[in-house]
Amino acid sequence: KNQVEQSPQSLIILEGKNCTLQCNYTVSPFSNLRWYKQDTGRGPVSLTIMTFSENTKSNGRYTATLDADTKQSSLHITASQLSDSASYICVVSAGTASKLTFGTGTRLQVTL
Amino acid sequence: GAVVSQHPSRVICKSGTSVKIECRSLDFQATTMFWYRQFPKQSLMLMATSNEGSKATYEQGVEKDKFLINHASLTLSTLTVTSAHPEDSSFYICSANLVSAADTQYFGPGTRLTVL
Repeated sequence: KNQVEQSPQSLIILEGKNCTLQCNYTVSPFSNLRWYKQDTGRGPVSLTIMTFSENTKSNGRYTATLDADTKQSSLHITASQLSDSASYICVVSAGTASKLTFGTGTRLQVTL
Repeated sequence: GAVVSQHPSRVICKSGTSVKIECRSLDFQATTMFWYRQFPKQSLMLMATSNEGSKATYEQGVEKDKFLINHASLTLSTLTVTSAHPEDSSFYICSANLVSAADTQYFGPGTRLTVL
């Protein structure tokens, strides 16, 4: 069964600090891995997308890594801002059927 | 580019009524659209895959007569929750498939349904 697990479940950090979110997956066959940011009451917005051959992908202060051998990914947020408070969801696509397996997300709260 | 809209953003209805939610791809054509529901503090759960001009494919456990999906054009899919009940209250999100090397789904902003 395809699964995506994220950790931690929730995280509180001070503004300006860095943080790293983890994603482990057991999805086969693997097509790509995406990180989404979902603000409360809004739809997910794509941050990064990586295919099998990509190890790192950056989008501003967000940097995602992918280790296809260990089936792990991380999302690193640098110099966090209050607006980074949201749920971050790891989503893995299997094959070409557009079927996505969603992680349960990490709820990040950035405080003063 | 690749913007997906949903309407309405929020709806409150009485138990027993039907509610229609629209999902539009604003700047691209989407042969496939997806409908998800999300309960508080949970992840998105796929309800059905909507293909333009054909019947939707429903996930196991989703009642097709309860959740009617119509994909009338390449830019519009609708989800109708028939005879809504309080347990149908949820956040409904659609996405549209942009076929590319990355095979990306773009999500709409979601519709909050509250059934009284």
